[in-house]
Amino acid sequence: SQQGEEDPQALSIQEGENATMNCSYKTSINNLQWYRQNSGRGLVHLILIRSNEREKHSGRLRVTLDTSKKSSSLLITASRAADTASYFCATDETSTSYGKLTFGQGTILTVHP
Amino acid sequence: EPEVTQTPSHQVTQMGQEVILRCVPISNHLYFYWYRQILGQKVEFLVSFYNNEISEKSEIFDDQFSVERPDGSNFTLKIRSTKLEDSAMYFCASSGRDSQYFGPGTRLTVL
Repeated sequence: SQQGEEDPQALSIQEGENATMNCSYKTSINNLQWYRQNSGRGLVHLILIRSNEREKHSGRLRVTLDTSKKSSSLLITASRAADTASYFCATDETSTSYGKLTFGQGTILTVHP
Repeated sequence: EPEVTQTPSHQVTQMGQEVILRCVPISNHLYFYWYRQILGQKVEFLVSFYNNEISEKSEIFDDQFSVERPDGSNFTLKIRSTKLEDSAMYFCASSGRDSQYFGPGTRLTVL
């Protein structure tokens, strides 16, 4: 698998349900960041979790990081139609300098009203 | 809330022409980046810039590409002789410490 690979590739849920997206990576990281991208638009920074952190919350978002399994998950609780977007994880690897991010393919989330 | 801005939002050019994509990073940030996203593909790192010089670049960032910070606010990406395969969305990003904030992108179409 590639660095920063998301799973599932696509997720379709009803409004009000929770959405969980997973990300796996291969190398040691300084941090992992999650982004949202609406179709054809820019990348919106959602949350950053550092390698020494295990869980972080921001509003309806919860991110976990398991460095032993080299994986992270993004949970969106009580989803809304406006959450429909692509979600990407991006890793800042320790082997690179100055914060170069490596992105995964993303998870396409569709929330039906 | 401060944000990264990019101009133009859409650029159409003929193959072989030079293009300059412009970005204004967040004002107190020190690290600057360019990424690109070919339609339907993942976001790819091009180059990082710190202290007025390139700190890292990818294999994509060949001699046809250059970056410059001509003044205290702008950060530009120049493609000297565009190819069809340069058609993509180009994103500028900046960071102060860890989190990278992205601009809305410039959609480059090479005909």
